[in-house]
Amino acid sequence: GENVEQHPSTLSVQEGDSAVIKCTYSDSASNYFPWYKQELGKRPQLIIDIRSNVGEKKDQRIAVTLNKTAKHFSLHITETQPEDSAVYFCAAPSYSGGGADGLTFGKGTHLIIQP
Amino acid sequence: DGGITQSPKYLFRKEGQNVTLSCEQNLNHDAMYWYRQDPGQGLRLIYYSQIVNDFQKGDIAEGYSVSREKKESFPLTVTSAQKNPTAFYLCASSIYPENTGELFFGEGSRLTVL
Repeated sequence: GENVEQHPSTLSVQEGDSAVIKCTYSDSASNYFPWYKQELGKRPQLIIDIRSNVGEKKDQRIAVTLNKTAKHFSLHITETQPEDSAVYFCAAPSYSGGGADGLTFGKGTHLIIQP
Repeated sequence: DGGITQSPKYLFRKEGQNVTLSCEQNLNHDAMYWYRQDPGQGLRLIYYSQIVNDFQKGDIAEGYSVSREKKESFPLTVTSAQKNPTAFYLCASSIYPENTGELFFGEGSRLTVL
C-alpha cells in the first residue's frame, strides 16, 4: 500500500513569512495529491489539490508543487496570517490489485503563526 | 443543505460494549469512508465503500464492522474486540470512487471508553 511521510511535524513562523510543508509518497501509481487544513476541534477541509499531469498549482496565497520523479509534493503558504494556524495534512491514493483503496494521509503538521 | 452528518458527536462506552456511529450524506456520492484520528497519528482508514452493498477493509479494520445497505448511509460499529477504541472518528464521502477527488468530511464523533 501507499506510505506517506510528512515533515515537519511542527512549524512555527512569524506572521507575514512563508511556510513550506513537505510530503513524500511511495506508490508511483498515485496520481492525485490533496492538502487538508484542520482547525482545532473541526473537520478537515480541502484547501488545494494537484493531479499528476501538472507540476504546480496556485490559489491566492497557497500553492502546491509536485515532483513525480522524486515522489514528493509540497505546500507553500505565503504572507502567513494568524488564521493560517492549524494542522495541515497531505494525502495520496492507495492502490492494490488494480483498484483504489482510499486515501493515505500523512501524520500532519501543526503550523503556528507567531504575531 | 447538502452535507454529511455524523451522530452522536460525543459518546461514552463501557469496556465490552459495542457502539454504532451513524454517518448519513445527501450529496449523492457513491464512495464513503471511515477514518480514525489519534493525536500525532494523522487519519487512518478503517473501512471504505465505493458502491452500495460492497465495502473494503482499510489499514486498521480489526475490531470494527460496517454496512452499506443504502447509498446515503454508512454506519460504523466499534466492537468489544477493538482494544483501544478511544479516538475521534471521521466519516467522509466522495463523488470519486477512484480516490482522485475531494473528500467531504463530517464533523466527527468522539468516542471515549470509560
